[in-house]
Amino acid sequence: VIWMTQSPSLLSASTGDRVIISCRMSQGISSYLAWYQQKPGKAPELLIYAASTLQSGVPSRFSGSGSGTDFTLTISCLQSEDFATYYCQQYYSFPPTFGQGTKVEIK
Amino acid sequence: EVQLVESGGGLVKPGGSLRLSCAASGFTFSSYSMNWVRQAPGKGLEWVSSISSSSSYIYYADSVKGRFTISRDNAKNSLYLQMNSLRAEDTAVYYCARERSLSGNDAFDIWGQGTMVTVSS
Repeated sequence: VIWMTQSPSLLSASTGDRVIISCRMSQGISSYLAWYQQKPGKAPELLIYAASTLQSGVPSRFSGSGSGTDFTLTISCLQSEDFATYYCQQYYSFPPTFGQGTKVEIK
Repeated sequence: EVQLVESGGGLVKPGGSLRLSCAASGFTFSSYSMNWVRQAPGKGLEWVSSISSSSSYIYYADSVKGRFTISRDNAKNSLYLQMNSLRAEDTAVYYCARERSLSGNDAFDIWGQGTMVTVSS
């Protein structure tokens, strides 16, 4: 099983801030990493796959980087609709695993 | 519109059974691998099971192996999860999710709205 450490678990930020969320793997996964956004009471939505490829329809203020064991999700200019919980997921090997989540809240 | 709609959730006693369904529309269901992912109240996401497009490859999380069975009916554009010997720790919202690429082993790009399963006496 590939373990993931996502940090921070809680992030307080203001609209317009640049936000960075990290995800570290217990072993290398090449670029088999995705990022999801989840709002309360809703299903997760795919933001980024293959570590850095933006899913169709996702705003360009979201970006992903990294390969191997260390990955980041960056929101360049936080908007009000971005306050949510974010999860990383590796799909390099079974079982696919998710990070613990990062809640981005209003400061 | 590409859509997944889950059904079948509800309240069940420990040791009981439940069958979840996921109806797909707006895409060629038979071409994609499908998954079940769950989320316990206030907790994170946990992958439960995966099935390839032709049902040739099936995988389960250790936490449900031997109790849950995933299946699909491509003629009916439907995915299923038969859950037996349910435990309190199986209480969660269950989502069905599509893998993004036809080759499988990819991110989950389409998710249903979820169906709640509560295991309690």
